[in-house]
This record gives sequence, C-alpha cells and structure tokens, in this order.
Amino acid sequence: QKEVEQNSGPLSVPEGAIASLNCTYSDRVSQSFFWYRQYSGKSPELIMSIYSNGDKEDGRFTAQLNKASQYVSLLIRDSQPSDSATYLCAVTVSGTYKYIFGTGTRLKVLA
Amino acid sequence: DADVTQTPRNRITKTGKRIMLECSQTKGHDRMYWYRQDPGLGLRLIYYSFDVKDINKGEISDGYSVSRQAQAKFSLSLESAIPNQTALYFCATSAGVSYGYTFGSGTRLTVV
Repeated sequence: QKEVEQNSGPLSVPEGAIASLNCTYSDRVSQSFFWYRQYSGKSPELIMSIYSNGDKEDGRFTAQLNKASQYVSLLIRDSQPSDSATYLCAVTVSGTYKYIFGTGTRLKVLA
Repeated sequence: DADVTQTPRNRITKTGKRIMLECSQTKGHDRMYWYRQDPGLGLRLIYYSFDVKDINKGEISDGYSVSRQAQAKFSLSLESAIPNQTALYFCATSAGVSYGYTFGSGTRLTVV
C-alpha cells in the first residue's frame, strides 16, 4: 500500500516567521509532487508542484524535493494569518494516473 | 462561473435513499475524479474517468456508482445511502498526471 505521511499539527508559527511543512512518501518511483492549501470547509487549491530534486520557488512559497530520502517540503516565508489553513501533500502513484493524498498539516499563523 | 461546479452544495438525506451528486466543468479536461474527505482520513478516491467511455473504480467504490454523461459532466450516485457515507465530496478535473487537480467547491452530504 503506497502511503503519504504528514504530521497533522497544528503547527503554530508567529506572523512573519517561516513555516516548514513536511511530507514523506513510500513509493520510490513517484514522479510528481503537489502541495494544496485547504481552508476550513473549502476545497483544496493547488499552490505548488515539483518534479525534480531541489528547490522550486513561487513568491513566498518554496517546495523542496529529495527523492533519495523520499520527502517533500513546503516552506512559507513571511507567514501571514491568511496562510492559516490545512496543507495537503499529494504524490503520484507509479504506473497509474492517480495521486495519493496525505491527511494534511494544519498551520496556524499567530498575529 | 467556477471552473468546476458541484451541485448540491449541501444535502441531508435519509438512510436507504438514492442520491445523485453532479459535477460539471469548463476546463476542457478529459480526466475527472470523485473523492470523499473524512476527518483524519484525508481524501480518498471513489471513481475516476479519463473519457466518456472510460470509468474506473478507486479505492472506496463500494456503495457508489458514476455516470460520465459528456466530457464536461460526471455524476456520482449513492444507490442506497447509509450513515457512514456522511462526508464532504469533491469532484476534480485534471489535464494530466503531472498537472495536479482543479477541485469543485464540494458537496457536504449528511445521511441520517
């Protein structure tokens, strides 16, 4: 059974700090990795995708991928109260057209 | 208008009733998916479809059925609803496995 693991949190950070969210996965040959943000009662929204080892930056967000260690991270710089949400990690299942989602990490940014 | 529209937004139904959740999209994507989300269990795949003639079961398809009426429309039915089908249901579309999903706004279903 392929798995994606995330700490459920909540992860609390002060406003302006860097929030670091982590995700580990079990499928060694997964190719595509995604981070979604989900506000309470709302649908998930795609915020980052990453396919190669290393860092990918988009505004205040940086995704980091390490395939050897099978983890993917999301860094949020200058965290704002509006970043308070649950962040879902998703990983493609090798040999299929499907994703597995982690259960999410709840982030709270304290004003 | 939203790219992926789900109806209804909220529904309360009784045990044993048949219910249909509808999804339509304007993204032009061939791939459509139905997920349910439960606290602590995350998003679980119910069914997916890559075109009108291609329907596939996901990890939790028992008790559900789907219909792909057109490229843009994908409906989920609960043949005889039971209380443990109470959940938040999402429809999603994708341009391909490397592109991620666009989710609809969700249907909150309560079976009493």
